[in-house]
Amino acid sequence: QQPVQSPQAVILREGEDAVINCSSSKALYSVHWYRQKHGEAPVFLMILLKGGEQKGHDKISASFNEKKQQSSLYLTASQLSYSGTYFCGTDEIGANNLFFGTGTRLTVIP
Amino acid sequence: DTGVSQDPRHKITKRGQNVTFRCDPISEHNRLYWYRQTLGQGPEFLTYFQNEAQLEKSRLLSDRFSAERPKGSFSTLEIQRTEQGDSAMYLCASSLEADTIYFGEGSWLTVV
Repeated sequence: QQPVQSPQAVILREGEDAVINCSSSKALYSVHWYRQKHGEAPVFLMILLKGGEQKGHDKISASFNEKKQQSSLYLTASQLSYSGTYFCGTDEIGANNLFFGTGTRLTVIP
Repeated sequence: DTGVSQDPRHKITKRGQNVTFRCDPISEHNRLYWYRQTLGQGPEFLTYFQNEAQLEKSRLLSDRFSAERPKGSFSTLEIQRTEQGDSAMYLCASSLEADTIYFGEGSWLTVV
């Protein structure tokens, strides 16, 4: 079941913050976040496990509300290198693969 | 750790021809996945192997598609009688059990 991401696109100035949301109608074991640059493969950012803590590295962090089957990715003090399409991949309980949303295109401008 | 590698990176083929893609996963990873991605969409699951066993196939995987992982290491994805709708990026990924899934660089297919 494909998760729903919002917003579909966002434009930020360098230094601004953004939040990307991901929600599923299925019970989830984990949520994975990836960033994809145009023409390249998705690059793993972080994984949020059921019962786990909020994760983060550098200025990118994420949370997972397992009761609501929702996850949010937080980008603070955005940098030009953050530009790309962000995908959440949901790992449904009982499934053996990830279902990906349609992505959120993030553009950071100087 | 050399990451997940895919070959070829780009393939242009005429409609009706067969194509084969190869994937070499990260060496200790026992799970291998194939996804397909078209422009503006997220990756769509095609199939998944645990070692050499193909455990799951998506309904997207028509009978023209076949995937193998004969010795539980590298995998091949073959598309027979290609159609223009098969044009996409084919992504291979691997993981150790249900841990983080790492993607390869992808194989772009253009059917003309």
